[in-house]
Amino acid sequence: DAGVTQSPTHLIKTRGQQVTLRCSPKSGHDTVSWYQQALGQGPQFIFQYYEEEERQRGNFPDRFSGHQFPNYSSELNVNALLLGDSALYLCASSLYLPGNYEQYFGPGTRLTVT
Amino acid sequence: AQSVSQHNHHVILSEAASLELGCNYSYGGTVNLFWYVQYPGQHLQLLLKYFSGDPLVKGIKGFEAEFIKSKFSFNLRKPSVQWSDTAEYFCAVFSGGYQKVTFGTGTKLQVIP
Repeated sequence: DAGVTQSPTHLIKTRGQQVTLRCSPKSGHDTVSWYQQALGQGPQFIFQYYEEEERQRGNFPDRFSGHQFPNYSSELNVNALLLGDSALYLCASSLYLPGNYEQYFGPGTRLTVT
Repeated sequence: AQSVSQHNHHVILSEAASLELGCNYSYGGTVNLFWYVQYPGQHLQLLLKYFSGDPLVKGIKGFEAEFIKSKFSFNLRKPSVQWSDTAEYFCAVFSGGYQKVTFGTGTKLQVIP
């Protein structure tokens, strides 16, 4: 049973460019959340997708957008990259049930913006 | 806004010492509480969770945590740490009001053999 997988593992981009990160949830899960973890910080919630719609959003600008596909996999897109976007981006999956907030995390994608 | 505070940023202990890591949150309503662990080179893993019921919850690898509602705290404990417990520990809170999980800044634990 595969856990949460993310690709790519590492990515280097230049300021102003755009990036797409991908996530496949754990088998049986239908909800995907994305987090940004800057160096020395805890994960910060970006947004959550369920039924192909963004359900909740954290305090991130519109440069951060996402998508969920019918197979529950998800993408995170970041436009007009800034140096401050350099971070580990984590994907977490869960099963959408009332009272169930247990998430399983992937290994993350390390994004470096130069 | 919902917030989570972890007071200890870096803790160094000798093997067999007892561990207590502090976690306080700001939200006054119903909350679900978590401790996650991140071993070197590995991804975040759930250590234990509190949803309701007995405020003393037991997790994997001998860890436990106590939810004290009056103190808005959810401290992590282990009676005797091992070198393999060296990792970063994150406290996280989910509140129904905000419908999202908020993480603390993490505590790096270093256990010296």
